[in-house]
Amino acid sequence: DIQMTQSPLSLSASVGDRVTITCRASQSINSYLNWYQQKPGKAPKVLIYDASSLQSGVPSRFSGSGSGTDFTLTITSLQPEDFATYYCQQSYSTPPWTFGQGTKVEIK
Amino acid sequence: EVQLVESGGGLIQPGGSLRLSCAASGFLVSNNYMGWVRQAPGKGLEWVSVFYSGDITYHADSVKGRFTISRDNSKNTVYLQMNSLRAEDTAVYYCARVGGTYRGGWALDIWGQGTLVTVSS
Repeated sequence: DIQMTQSPLSLSASVGDRVTITCRASQSINSYLNWYQQKPGKAPKVLIYDASSLQSGVPSRFSGSGSGTDFTLTITSLQPEDFATYYCQQSYSTPPWTFGQGTKVEIK
Repeated sequence: EVQLVESGGGLIQPGGSLRLSCAASGFLVSNNYMGWVRQAPGKGLEWVSVFYSGDITYHADSVKGRFTISRDNSKNTVYLQMNSLRAEDTAVYYCARVGGTYRGGWALDIWGQGTLVTVSS
């Protein structure tokens, strides 16, 4: 199975900060990488698919980049509603389309 | 409205069985990849089972031989039959639609609200 490693696993930031979360795959996954946001007690929702495509309705302060094994989720100007846990997930080849461990973004 | 609604969770003793249901509206489960993802308390997301590429199924090693994904197209519903439940199966179980992306990948684009399964004596 392809392993997905996120870093950091948690971070503290202030409203207005620029936040970057990285995700590394154990082998090349081309651009088959998605990012999800999950708030406490809620289901995850997809933010970014195909590494850099913004899901409809997601604010433009979210962006994704990368290909191969290294990927980044960036939030420019963090907003109060962005405090949540973020997961990367690969969809290369066949299941299991594994998730990263998650990165919790907390208020500083 | 496109949505998924899960049901069937609850408290069950170790060794027991439960069947989770996931009723879809606004789209057909027969035309889509559908899966179950779980999240143990305070933990991350874990694939459990998925229908893909027609009727091919995948089950995680941790549930293989105990859990079975199925669907009833007439009811537009996906199921997860869970047998021989263990304490480590305690989690919120989410049903999700796996949608195709422009570049040929797969993303979980519709999620249910989740149903809690607690395995305890």
